Amino acid sequence: AQSVTQLDSQVPVFEEAPVELRCNYSSSVSVYLFWYVQYPNQGLQLLLKYLSGSTLVESINGFEAEFNKSQTSFHLRKPSVHISDTAEYFCAVSPIDSSYKLIFGSGTRLLVRP
Amino acid sequence: DAGVIQSPRHEVTEMGQEVTLRCKPISGHNSLFWYRQTMMRGLELLIYFNNNVPIDDSGMPEDRFSAKMPNASFSTLKIQPSEPRDSAVYFCASSFSGGYTDTQYFGPGTRLTVL
Repeated sequence: AQSVTQLDSQVPVFEEAPVELRCNYSSSVSVYLFWYVQYPNQGLQLLLKYLSGSTLVESINGFEAEFNKSQTSFHLRKPSVHISDTAEYFCAVSPIDSSYKLIFGSGTRLLVRP
Repeated sequence: DAGVIQSPRHEVTEMGQEVTLRCKPISGHNSLFWYRQTMMRGLELLIYFNNNVPIDDSGMPEDRFSAKMPNASFSTLKIQPSEPRDSAVYFCASSFSGGYTDTQYFGPGTRLTVL
C-alpha cells in the first residue's frame, strides 16, 4: 500500500519570497511521483512529475521538485513566488505495478501575500 | 480542446434522492477516472475505466454507488439513495491510455450537497 504525507496544510508567504512545500511518501513498491495544482473552483492540473532519470524535475512556471529516494521525499520549491501561485498543491504517487492509480496527499494551501 | 466536461457543476439534493453525475472525457482519451474529494478523506479514486470497461472499482464506497461508461464519450456516476455523508466534490479525469506516462486531465468537478 502507499501513502502520501503533506505535513503543512497551509503555507503563507510574501510575494517574491522562496517557498518549499513538503511531501513524503511510503510505499512497498517503487513509485512515480507527481505534483498537481488546484486553483479555486477548478480541477487539478499536473504541475510536474518524476518518472525516471534525473531526480530534479522542473515545471514551465518556475517550480521544481527533487526526488530523494533515501528520504522518500519529493519536496516542491520555487525561488520566488507570485500572487498568481496562490492555490492548493497536491503531491501524489503512482505505484509501478498499477500505474493508472494516483494516491494523493491531503494538500497544502499556498497563500501568497503582497 | 474543451477539456473534460462535467455536469452539473453544483447539485443540492435531499437525503434518499437519486443523484446522477455526468462526464464527457477529452476526445481520443481511452481512460476515465472518477474521484471524490472530501475534507476528511482528501482525494480518492472511486473507479477507473479503460476502453469503456471498468478495470478497478475497489474505491467505490458501497452498493449505493454505481458508474457506467456506455461509450467513449460519456460516463455517469450514480448515487442511490444519497446520504449526507456523500456530500463532496466529485471529479472526473481522463487520460490517453491510463499508463504512467499519460497525464490525467481533470474536469472542474461537481459539488454535491446532500441535505
